[in-house]
Amino acid sequence: DSGVTQTPKHLITATGQRVTLRCSPRSGDLSVYWYQQSLDQGLQFLIQYYNGEERAKGNILERFSAQQFPDLHSELNLSSLELGDSALYFCASSLGSGGAGETQYFGPGTRLLVL
Amino acid sequence: GENVEQHPSTLSVQEGDSAVIKCTYSDSASNYFPWYKQELGKGPQLIIDIRSNVGEKKDQRIAVTLNKTAKHFSLHITETQPEDSAVYFCAAPGGRSGGSQGNLIFGKGTKLSVKP
Repeated sequence: DSGVTQTPKHLITATGQRVTLRCSPRSGDLSVYWYQQSLDQGLQFLIQYYNGEERAKGNILERFSAQQFPDLHSELNLSSLELGDSALYFCASSLGSGGAGETQYFGPGTRLLVL
Repeated sequence: GENVEQHPSTLSVQEGDSAVIKCTYSDSASNYFPWYKQELGKGPQLIIDIRSNVGEKKDQRIAVTLNKTAKHFSLHITETQPEDSAVYFCAAPGGRSGGSQGNLIFGKGTKLSVKP
């Protein structure tokens, strides 16, 4: 158990809908990262938050957004969902601001299925 | 930005044999290389990592080697056991350009099967 929690474990929704994925980092970790895992693209970085502020952005679609709250949990919002958004979404956390060499610990993931 | 290539995509070994997975990276400034193991239905779990100031690191049956000149690093698992069966991912830090500072760039993964 990495100490990172994610809810829900599974999510089934329809195209055009909006969903929110939640992540709680390990106790003491200040950074939260969101990754998307699909069969064709592998593990892709979406976005990083550090102590409430956006720190780095990857291949995140404009339909997706995230935020980190004062208690350091994070939410990833996916809107106008398309079939291609079906994937595993992982949250990871690290102790500091995420400079190169900082260990990231992954949660169990949320499996999203868009029908 | 960084690019990570991982080979092979699948690997089948007999229990007790060794397994080697290789990764190459493109950014010579990269200095941290973790390996993750992902079992079915679970998130990636860090199993070992290496930093660019060392060439090899061991942890029981697992070792990682790094060749900075050639920009490649490898995972070695000795005396494989059925519970080693999983997908293994290598990673390197995202490039500094474009503001991607804290993320990891992952290889495509290697599905390791250990046959009893």
